[in-house]
Amino acid sequence: GAVVSQHPSRVICKSGTSVKIECRSLDFQATTMFWYRQFPKQSLMLMATSNEGSKATYEQGVEKDKFLINHASLTLSTLTVTSAHPEDSSFYICSASVGTGWGNTEAFFGQGTRLTVV
Amino acid sequence: DAKTTQPNSMESNEEEPVHLPCNHSTISGTDYIHWYRQLPSQGPEYVIHGLTSNVNNRMASLAIAEDRKSSTLILHRATLRDAAVYYCILRDEADRGSTLGRLYFGRGTQLTVWP
Repeated sequence: GAVVSQHPSRVICKSGTSVKIECRSLDFQATTMFWYRQFPKQSLMLMATSNEGSKATYEQGVEKDKFLINHASLTLSTLTVTSAHPEDSSFYICSASVGTGWGNTEAFFGQGTRLTVV
Repeated sequence: DAKTTQPNSMESNEEEPVHLPCNHSTISGTDYIHWYRQLPSQGPEYVIHGLTSNVNNRMASLAIAEDRKSSTLILHRATLRDAAVYYCILRDEADRGSTLGRLYFGRGTQLTVWP
């Protein structure tokens, strides 16, 4: 199956600093990628849709100035958590799909990034 | 996206079959039934999906009720590596373009496998 690679897998940063997380599709082109956040013992929550060459679409309640998304190429999307605070500590996961559409398409996920803000 | 209902947790012994149920009474005619699982501290991984007919692959089988209001994921011989949270998700056939691959996750079923 297709591979989605996420980097870094784990990061610790100081409160007030910014952190960038990369999501790459290794063997396919992804015009659209998705970013999720998962708090401990909870399910994944979709944060935003990353569109190659255009602005990201954010889910309701997600601050677009806080979580900057850039999708500059067909194989790379980045999520930057700006001015991180301890409440931003979470597990961040990206995903993408192969194909031209329909619900008959599987999604591929990165291995996730554990962000800890101290 | 249509809603699914799953038990919070299930348990199984190693090498025994596991049947994970999912109710989706509001499913539409164009919704595909997808299953993903998430191992601890990892991103989710695709398991199987289907529309109307039962489906089999190397990981599992998917049994879909005739009225499509429920489905069951079947792991034929559970292993310790199958311990994970299993998510049942509906995906609209019309889902395409910028929404391709977008998934809304419920709470899923935590499967515990005992040696």
